[in-house]
Amino acid sequence: GESVGLHLPTLSVQEGDNSIINCAYSNSASDYFIWYKQESGKGPQFIIDIRSNMDKRQGQRVTVLLNKTVKHLSLQIAATQPGDSAVYFCAEGGGADGLTFGKGTHLIIQP
Amino acid sequence: GAGVSQSPSNKVTEKGKDVELRCDPISGHTALYWYRQSLGQGLEFLIYFQGNSAPDKSGLPSDRFSAERTGGSVSTLTIQRTQQEDSAVYLCASSSGTLRFNEQFFGPGTRLTVL
Repeated sequence: GESVGLHLPTLSVQEGDNSIINCAYSNSASDYFIWYKQESGKGPQFIIDIRSNMDKRQGQRVTVLLNKTVKHLSLQIAATQPGDSAVYFCAEGGGADGLTFGKGTHLIIQP
Repeated sequence: GAGVSQSPSNKVTEKGKDVELRCDPISGHTALYWYRQSLGQGLEFLIYFQGNSAPDKSGLPSDRFSAERTGGSVSTLTIQRTQQEDSAVYLCASSSGTLRFNEQFFGPGTRLTVL
């Protein structure tokens, strides 16, 4: 999966299926994690965030899971739609160092 | 405005020329960030402004890059003597509060092409 440091270029899923995008982070001191969505030609858009004192957070059709033991973050998108096609970035942060972004996963929705 | 705006949206320049990229953050946001995104890559942090504090310039790749933020609002990123490797999308983001990992709102970016 994607990591803040590794790159998983493309994930292709069927429309209506659930998508899972993974991210591994390296800084065990990070206490804040964000998922961004970036559509072609646009800037990144905030999707959902989670703090390190949680292991799951749900939004509208999206769920973020955090496993601090293995330093793994995932974004689950339920019932994917064509509009979900985009590049998804995870970012980690904490303290004074700001956010560190991964390289992104390109999600492609097949009709 | 309702969101972060950037101008120009596209800039094509010749190698060796200087360019200025502008960012208008969300009104009231005290923090402003510049990032660079090369094709197919993630976001590379460039510089961070917080209120009236001295900016964190630790991400600027060379002394050809500079940025300023006037009146705690609009910011300009200047690249002098542009090189082809400077070609990228330059993204600006702003956030409220003083924590650097507050949710950042991004502008649409400026696509810079250096010929």
